[in-house]
Amino acid sequence: DIQMTQSPSAISASVGDRVTITCRASQGITDYLAWFQQKPGEVPKRLIFGASGLQNGVPSRFSGSGSGTEFTLTISNLQPEDFATYFCLQHYDYPWTLGQGTKVDVK
Amino acid sequence: EVQLVESGGGFVQPGRSLRLSCTTSGFPFGDFAMGWFRQAPGKGLEWLTLIRMKTSGGTTHYAASVKHRFIVSRDDSRGIAYLQMSGLRTDDTAVYYCTRGYTYGPDSWGQGTLVTVSS
Repeated sequence: DIQMTQSPSAISASVGDRVTITCRASQGITDYLAWFQQKPGEVPKRLIFGASGLQNGVPSRFSGSGSGTEFTLTISNLQPEDFATYFCLQHYDYPWTLGQGTKVDVK
Repeated sequence: EVQLVESGGGFVQPGRSLRLSCTTSGFPFGDFAMGWFRQAPGKGLEWLTLIRMKTSGGTTHYAASVKHRFIVSRDDSRGIAYLQMSGLRTDDTAVYYCTRGYTYGPDSWGQGTLVTVSS
């Protein structure tokens, strides 16, 4: 199975900050990676597909980059509604596997 | 509007079976792969299974944790995906989510249905 190592597990940040979250795959997955946001009691929401494609309707302060084994989700100018948990998903091979999640909370 | 609505969750004793349904609307169901994830209380998400479109052979894939116990199926005429769960264990307790999509991963999620396995 492909292991997805996500870091950090938690970030304390302030509104306006730039936040960076990383996922590392145990083997190359080209760009078969998506990023999701989940708020408590809510359904996961896809932010990024194909490692860098911005989901329709998602603010442009969210961006994804990377290919192969290392991927990054960046939130520039963090907004109050961005405090949530973020996780990555590889769908290059079965079983699909997810990062452990990163909780972004208020500093 | 794309809608996925799970149903069939509830309280069940260990070793018993349960069938979840994912009723969809707002898109051509037969043109999409459908999948299931779950999230145990206070835990992260876990991918469980995927069923491809019939035009892609309707092939199925499973996580090791549910293989041989869970079966995914689809009824394209009704726009419903199913997850038949048998031999349930206490660690299967979770919210189960139905998802749509394959090429770029899941792009739509249902609201989830809670399955509680306990004696």
